[in-house]
Amino acid sequence: DGGITQSPKYLFRKEGQNVTLSCEQNLNHDAMYWYRQDPGQGLRLIYYSQIVNDFQKGDIAEGYSVSREKKESFPLTVTSAQKNPTAFYLCASRYAGNEQFFGPGTRLTVL
Amino acid sequence: GIQVEQSPPDLILQEGANSTLRCNFSDSVNNLQWFHQNPWGQLINLFYIPSGTKQNGRLSATTVATERYSLLYISSSQTTDSGVYFCAVANTGTASKLTFGTGTRLQVTL
Repeated sequence: DGGITQSPKYLFRKEGQNVTLSCEQNLNHDAMYWYRQDPGQGLRLIYYSQIVNDFQKGDIAEGYSVSREKKESFPLTVTSAQKNPTAFYLCASRYAGNEQFFGPGTRLTVL
Repeated sequence: GIQVEQSPPDLILQEGANSTLRCNFSDSVNNLQWFHQNPWGQLINLFYIPSGTKQNGRLSATTVATERYSLLYISSSQTTDSGVYFCAVANTGTASKLTFGTGTRLQVTL
């Protein structure tokens, strides 16, 4: 099946730890994105990548890092510098057109 | 940056009723998408509609780009339509970056 997968579904982190969220797609999409959703809010863009080995900051990049070494994969690291990391994280991808498609998300909780 | 406003913020309907959700945006767009977020958090693509009108079953959408708004129509609502509906847009020239509204939370009751 083609699609976007995110793992894990739930993640618990102690304060001061870095954690990495996985996003993989087998849709042959060129562009990939990370968004953050807080309760009762819309999504906000963290980072995006339009081609392999290149990525740009979104609106709320502070405390996060990404890599894009393979077309299929766009992992997000939530560092200890992110002051309020508890949120729902969604990954998306896009082919040549503008329409984005989303993965199922990862819920991160800081203990 | 571009601003997106959705209305109403909350909506309660009886099963079988019709509804209209509105999305206003503050600048020209070359991408407008409507999503349904289900109770598990999954964002489901409903429409990609930067302009014009589309229909898919009981759902339809219209975007009037020159007047900077889009409407999502739900007819004969069902309990499975419950959830949060988001409008998201991207500016001309920044087609990669979606800006989301805060959503309309819909509850359909029996």
